[in-house]
Amino acid sequence: EAQVTQNPRYLITVTGKKLTVTCSQNMNHEYMSWYRQDPGLGLRQIYYSMNVEVTDKGDVPEGYKVSRKEKRNFPLILESPSPNQTSLYFCASSLRVAGELFFGEGSRLTVL
Amino acid sequence: QKEVEQDPGPLSVPEGAIVSLNCTYSNSAFQYFMWYRQYSRKGPELLMYTYSSGNKEDGRFTAQVDKSSKYISLFIRDSQPSDSATYLCAMSGAGNQFYFGTGTSLTVIP
Repeated sequence: EAQVTQNPRYLITVTGKKLTVTCSQNMNHEYMSWYRQDPGLGLRQIYYSMNVEVTDKGDVPEGYKVSRKEKRNFPLILESPSPNQTSLYFCASSLRVAGELFFGEGSRLTVL
Repeated sequence: QKEVEQDPGPLSVPEGAIVSLNCTYSNSAFQYFMWYRQYSRKGPELLMYTYSSGNKEDGRFTAQVDKSSKYISLFIRDSQPSDSATYLCAMSGAGNQFYFGTGTSLTVIP
């Protein structure tokens, strides 16, 4: 089954404790991206990747890091989480730029 | 000014009604226009995908793009309770970023 898998789905952590949200897709997609979804603000792009070892900032990259060492994986790293990073995070992938985005189920992160 | 504006609703209609959802945008470079449906506690899923101006129909759903007015619409005919969800418009240009509306919450009452 074609899918984008994120883990963990739910996480409560404390300020400053590094965490990683993993994302994996099994569709051999070139393009992957991370979004955060907040009430009243909608989906905002954090980072995206056109291919292995190629990443770029989206609209809200501050406080986040990503890496793309393999085509199927695109982890989101929060080096020192802060409460304003409490949000619902989505990973998405697409066969090509501006193509159909396939989303994961989301990861709800709470930073205390 | 936001790249994409969408009325958040909520919108509540009786079963069988025609629903109209709309977005406006400011960037004339947008060429790809999409509508996503998002159920509670789920990721968005693509409903409609159009390129440039014009209409596209798929079953009960029709997407319209008017680039001259920077306005896109999604129409849902014969709405069903299973259509109750949040609808997100999204756009992209020649670049690598997607821009989403804030979403419109729709409830179809049986």
